[in-house]
Amino acid sequence: AQKITQTQPGMFVQEKEAVTLDCTYDTSDQSYGLFWYKQPSSGEMIFLIYQGSYDEQNATEGRYSLNFQKARKSANLVISASQLGDSAMYFCAMRGNSGNTPLVFGKGTRLSVIA
Amino acid sequence: DAGITQSPRYKITETGRQVTLMCHQTWSHSYMFWYRQDLGHGLRLIYYSAAADITDKGEVPDGYVVSRSKTENFPLTLESATRSQTSVYFCASSVGVRTQYFGPGTRLLVL
Repeated sequence: AQKITQTQPGMFVQEKEAVTLDCTYDTSDQSYGLFWYKQPSSGEMIFLIYQGSYDEQNATEGRYSLNFQKARKSANLVISASQLGDSAMYFCAMRGNSGNTPLVFGKGTRLSVIA
Repeated sequence: DAGITQSPRYKITETGRQVTLMCHQTWSHSYMFWYRQDLGHGLRLIYYSAAADITDKGEVPDGYVVSRSKTENFPLTLESATRSQTSVYFCASSVGVRTQYFGPGTRLLVL
């Protein structure tokens, strides 16, 4: 079974600064995938970034990067140059080694960007 | 290019009534999922389906029924709604392992 832990219920960041959202995971699978989703106040779930356990490099997508430390079982999301529109809930999730398996989610971190 | 649509987007019902939440995807993704989102719990899996006529239970399946007669549709039925089923329901689909796409969600209130 997989487990995701997000220890920061809420975070504040100044506009244009970088921020790191923490995510640790637990799994006995050798192959797995880690995801980050953004949920703005409008409620939709927006896919941000994916990291496979065997990917050689940390994933990046525009201002989002994933700091993947396999030995520590952490997959932190880094948002560079924060914008007011980044204020939202952020969820870390993972899937197991069977390909299209369902995701297991953490409880989320609410990020507030301050002007 | 609709992707995943869910209907209704908002629903108010009473305890004991049967409610069906619809999910339709236009990509022909083989895998589809139903999650519910509650404060303090994140998203939890209710049911999922690997293909038409293949479904499996998730973490919180009690009180729910699913069917999948066509690849593109994955309805979720609450057989006899209870107040504890007040939640936001998300449908999702995937074809590869590197992403999972979510619908806009259905907000359900059971009085």
